Amino acid sequence: DIQMTQSPSSLSASVGDRVTITCQASQDISNYLNWYQQKPGKAPKLLIYDASNLETGVPSRFSGSGSGTDFTFTISSLQPEDIATYYCQQYDNLPLNTFGQGTKLEIK
Amino acid sequence: QLQLQESGPGLVKPSETLSLTCTVSGGSISSSSYYWGWIRQPPGKGLEWIGSIYYSGSTYYNPSLKSRVTISVDTSKNQFSLKLSSVTAADTAVYYCAVAIAAAGTIDYWGQGTLVTVSS
Repeated sequence: DIQMTQSPSSLSASVGDRVTITCQASQDISNYLNWYQQKPGKAPKLLIYDASNLETGVPSRFSGSGSGTDFTFTISSLQPEDIATYYCQQYDNLPLNTFGQGTKLEIK
Repeated sequence: QLQLQESGPGLVKPSETLSLTCTVSGGSISSSSYYWGWIRQPPGKGLEWIGSIYYSGSTYYNPSLKSRVTISVDTSKNQFSLKLSSVTAADTAVYYCAVAIAAAGTIDYWGQGTLVTVSS
């Protein structure tokens, strides 16, 4: 089974800050990595697919990079509406997939 | 645009079987474009993929739950279902039905989620 290690588990930042979250796979997953945003009481929403592609309608301050085992998710300038929990998801052996543990993002 | 709606009991007794149904609208459950699946989230915790089913009837389960999970499809009702047997308090969670794009791996459609509590 492929394990995903996501860090940090929580993060406090100020409006306008650059925020970075990382996800590491236990084996090479090429670019089969997506990022989701989940707000309280809501289902997750896809932000980034195939490691670095921005989903239609998602603000350009969100970005992703990486391949193989190491991946990064970045918010270039944190906005108040970005407060949420973020998850990475690998799908190297679709439809089997695994989520990272999540990163809870708060405003400082 | 697919829309998904979970239904089923919100309270299940320990050792019994949890049963949920997802009703699909806006598309056919016989489509080869999607994997129809279930994901759960214990209160205050992260997301866990439970399993998926393809239009062909092929099923795929999380190895950690495989012995207790059954996912099936009812094409006449455009629904798919989850059964989780021998539940314990650890199975208390919000259960989402979710649809992954077969050619992409992205989970593009989610139900609103339904809280199932395991308690006597």
